[in-house]
Amino acid sequence: TAGITQAPTSQILAAGRSMTLRCTQDMRHNAMYWYRQDLGLGLRLIHYSNTAGTTGKGEVPDGYSVSRANTDDFPLTLASAVPSQTSVYFCASSLENGNEQFFGPGTRLTVL
Amino acid sequence: GENVEQHPSTLSVQEGDSAVIKCTYSDSASNYFPWYKQELGKRPQLIIDIRSNVGEKKDQRIAVTLNKTAKHFSLHITETQPEDSAVYFCAASGGSNYKLTFGKGTLLTVNP
Repeated sequence: TAGITQAPTSQILAAGRSMTLRCTQDMRHNAMYWYRQDLGLGLRLIHYSNTAGTTGKGEVPDGYSVSRANTDDFPLTLASAVPSQTSVYFCASSLENGNEQFFGPGTRLTVL
Repeated sequence: GENVEQHPSTLSVQEGDSAVIKCTYSDSASNYFPWYKQELGKRPQLIIDIRSNVGEKKDQRIAVTLNKTAKHFSLHITETQPEDSAVYFCAASGGSNYKLTFGKGTLLTVNP
């Protein structure tokens, strides 16, 4: 069982370009989340999905979009990247919202 | 929305000593309080959690206490070891949306 995976591991992106971060889980978890982690700011929720077909905004959603076409996948898209989006991005999943969250290995994104 | 404050931001102890990290939360409806450990370059991993119907929970050298009246909860690590060195995050969820809100983290260093 792979658990929860993310791709790519790291990426350098030119400002203004678009990028999709991929997240896949094989645990049949209903809820999935995207966080960004910045030094001194902890983990901040970008978007979440309680179940396939639904999404919601977190604490810092601006500049990001998500989709949840099926249970396993929860991609995060940056339509036009800006340097302030340089961060480490973690995807997570839980059986239901309000239960233990399992984190993916993270994607380190640098926007120049 | 929920606001979680975590203290201290850094903590240095000698091997064998105890370490205590404290968190406060603002939403009285929160009912789930997990603690995550994140080693350098790794993903956050759950080490212990507590729900609001319990005042204390222990797992070997780790314990968490919850004071619902005061809206604070604490992580206690006894007999610390160098491998306990990591960043620890508290979080709270519940109320209307069950999303996790994280504290900003505590860097724990255990000196041999």
